[in-house]
Amino acid sequence: AQKVTQAQTEISVVEKEDVTLDCVYETRDTTYYLFWYKQPPSGELVFLIRRNSFDEQNEISGRYSWNFQKSTSSFNFTITASQVVDSAVYFCALRPAGNKLTFGGGTRVLVKP
Amino acid sequence: GAVVSQHPSRVICKSGTSVKIECRSLDFQATTMFWYRQFPKQSLMLMATSNEGSKATYEQGVEKDKFLINHASLTLSTLTVTSAHPEDSSFYICSASDGRGAFFGQGTRLTVV
Repeated sequence: AQKVTQAQTEISVVEKEDVTLDCVYETRDTTYYLFWYKQPPSGELVFLIRRNSFDEQNEISGRYSWNFQKSTSSFNFTITASQVVDSAVYFCALRPAGNKLTFGGGTRVLVKP
Repeated sequence: GAVVSQHPSRVICKSGTSVKIECRSLDFQATTMFWYRQFPKQSLMLMATSNEGSKATYEQGVEKDKFLINHASLTLSTLTVTSAHPEDSSFYICSASDGRGAFFGQGTRLTVV
């Protein structure tokens, strides 16, 4: 069975602070994909990143960065110099070979001006 | 690329009526489409998986006669909530996959009065 755990339900920061969202996953598959999505108040899910299980390189995209640690089954996401527009719910998700996404519970990020 | 269009974005219907939600992949062929339901402040719950031309596979606890899914082409899937009741009020969101990524529609907020 697949499982994704986002231990932080809500994080509140002041603008320009960095914020790191934790994601821990469980799967028996050796081939899988990990995702992060952003869900703003409007509801749509915005794709942020996909990482496959064989690629442990960390990635940076603008103010976003991701740290994939296969040894600890974690795929953490950091927003650097947060902005008010970053306020949203962020979901980590796992997709093994079976093509079905399993979502974590989500972390609500509130960035205050 | 990878645009998924979901319509309508918001619908209010009377109890006992049926509501159809459309999900279209605009610039790619979706071999698989997924339908999710999201309750307020909760994660996405997978309702069913559909492959073009075949019957949908429903998750445990989801009534297939209540939530009719049709995946008639590689670019269109529909979810019909039959004989809707107030407890069916929720946010429904579809996802289309081409085998590599999973891309989401804008979601449909259904309110049954």
